[in-house]
Amino acid sequence: TAGITQAPTSQILAAGRSMTLRCTQDMRHNAMYWYRQDLGLGLRLIHYSNTAGTTGKGEVPDGYSVSRANTDDFPLTLASAVPSQTSVYFCASSDQAGVGDQPQHFGDGTRLSIL
Amino acid sequence: EDKVVQSPLSLVVHEGDTVTLNCSYEVTNFRSLLWYKQEKKAPTFLFMLTSSGIEKKSGRLSSILDKKELFSILNITATQTGDSAVYLCAVVRGNTGKLIFGQGTTLQVKP
Repeated sequence: TAGITQAPTSQILAAGRSMTLRCTQDMRHNAMYWYRQDLGLGLRLIHYSNTAGTTGKGEVPDGYSVSRANTDDFPLTLASAVPSQTSVYFCASSDQAGVGDQPQHFGDGTRLSIL
Repeated sequence: EDKVVQSPLSLVVHEGDTVTLNCSYEVTNFRSLLWYKQEKKAPTFLFMLTSSGIEKKSGRLSSILDKKELFSILNITATQTGDSAVYLCAVVRGNTGKLIFGQGTTLQVKP
């Protein structure tokens, strides 16, 4: 079973360039999330979407944008990358958005380095 | 400010040892607490706890929640080298589904 697929697995990007991280899930989950994971800080929520057509800001949204045109896809865009956005990015999804009683399942992550 | 704190941050044990990982939280409108195991890539789900005092168990792993004292523990008995990983604790706030993560505990199990 595929679950959640993230692409690319890793990327080196020049500062100032734009980049879209892709996330696709095949579980028909309502909710999807983007996190960044940094040493000593754990995972922090960037943006989320409770259902197709809606998005919301998480803990660290600045410099990032998302869209949710359909249930399966939730791309994360860096419009103008900065070195502080160097991180490992995880996409996650869960069923029954808004209830909070279903665990989130994670993709394998994208390792992004901004130079 | 909502926070989730895990301790210890790192731990080294030998195969066969029993370990206890701690997670304390201060979160507005607590909904549930989750434990994940992260090896090289994706965090994988272990347990979800919503009620105090009810132990959840899966093989050598078990976990319990204390909503009065605002903490949870994850126990691993008879540890194996395959248990080496980062263990993440996260709390769901309200009915938003949003997770607040602790920093993680890095466990190394030596042969």
